[in-house]
Amino acid sequence: DQQVKQNSPSLSVQEGRISILNCDYTNSMFDYFLWYKKYPAEGPTFLISISSIKDKNEDGRFTVFLNKSAKHLSLHIVPSQPGDSAVYFCAASAFLRAGGTSYGKLTFGQGTILTVHP
Amino acid sequence: KAGVTQTPRYLIKTRGQQVTLSCSPISGHRSVSWYQQTPGQGLQFLFEYFSETQRNKGNFPGRFSGRQFSNSRSEMNVSTLELGDSALYLCASSSTGSGANVLTFGAGSRLTVL
Repeated sequence: DQQVKQNSPSLSVQEGRISILNCDYTNSMFDYFLWYKKYPAEGPTFLISISSIKDKNEDGRFTVFLNKSAKHLSLHIVPSQPGDSAVYFCAASAFLRAGGTSYGKLTFGQGTILTVHP
Repeated sequence: KAGVTQTPRYLIKTRGQQVTLSCSPISGHRSVSWYQQTPGQGLQFLFEYFSETQRNKGNFPGRFSGRQFSNSRSEMNVSTLELGDSALYLCASSSTGSGANVLTFGAGSRLTVL
């Protein structure tokens, strides 16, 4: 039972345009969501997060939107750059409910390969 | 400051053998988590250690075990290896000061079981 799903295995975007990566979750206990980026031969690196008390969080070119009723979140990258080409993972946790005792426990999606063409 | 260091980076084992992987977290980080990444299953949580105690555990068989030492370094062990254990094993560390679930991952240990 996959609790976090990224239904698009890949996405191709032109440099300068917007990249939109989507993620759906089924577990209503999840209250904290994160996006990680992974390059080949490296571990995932943290990009941006959002808690369930918000519906939007921005950090530079990256914005994450959360729609709790639809159990859906998305990552927007504007403008996209060739260096953004990587695998993007959506992750979720019940961090707030766990009272801070699950710092390391995340449920990841399968990942979306983003390719940004010059 | 130094990142999360995992050793060895690559290893090859045969079915039935056991393997031990090592992880040195970022200095000051007391939480260490382990994940298995496979093409079919993505990144799956194995377990988390905090102050030498296992705090959370994923849905893996008992062949997968781990421990954490007083200096926060961690090891994970897989006994009686199966072909399906071939994967990238990722270690991550975090601290209460870095924000919820903001894990810093190592580059991983690539295990191949023949």
